[in-house]
Amino acid sequence: NAGVTQTPKFQVLKTGQSMTLQCAQDMNHNSMYWYRQDPGMGLRLIYYSASEGTTDKGEVPNGYNVSRLNKREFSLRLESAAPSQTSVYFCASSIRQGAGETQYFGPGTRLLVL
Amino acid sequence: QKEVEQNSGPLSVPEGAIASLNCTYSDRVSQSFFWYRQYSGKSPELIMSIYSNGDKEDGRFTAQLNKASQYVSLLIRDSQPSDSATYLCAVKEDSGYSTLTFGKGTMLLVSP
Repeated sequence: NAGVTQTPKFQVLKTGQSMTLQCAQDMNHNSMYWYRQDPGMGLRLIYYSASEGTTDKGEVPNGYNVSRLNKREFSLRLESAAPSQTSVYFCASSIRQGAGETQYFGPGTRLLVL
Repeated sequence: QKEVEQNSGPLSVPEGAIASLNCTYSDRVSQSFFWYRQYSGKSPELIMSIYSNGDKEDGRFTAQLNKASQYVSLLIRDSQPSDSATYLCAVKEDSGYSTLTFGKGTMLLVSP
């Protein structure tokens, strides 16, 4: 049981290049999320998928697209990378437990856009 | 716009002391509250959740919730150097489907 996995761990892009960040979970969770974390800004939600087949915008969706490929996989795409997208990206998945819902995070992808 | 406020710190405490971390939130419909710990260079991990007013204890950790004051706190008893990390407060509505709103985190430093 690997939990939430992300690839790649680290990536350097030039401005204007595109890339896809991959995320997979093996916990049979319905909901999945993409966050970015910047110094002094905390965790900000980019997109989320409440269930397979649905996606919704979070707080900072501009410049990103997502695909919920199946129940396990949720990818994040940068079509034309910008230096402002330099960040650490975390994928998470969640399940309802009792009165609440617990999110489990992947190890993160460090992205540097030059 | 929901807001979750935390003192950025660092909060410095000696080993063995009680560390007190505080969080306030703006949205009165928030119903679920979470504390995550994040070590430098690592991903957040859940340490406590609390849904009702009052205290909830789990080992050395106690979460305290006061919905009237829109305030949630985390107490760490007998602090250890291994507790040195950033602690993130997160809140969630329970009306329909909603997402977590995170605070920016408080850095805790426990000195030996």
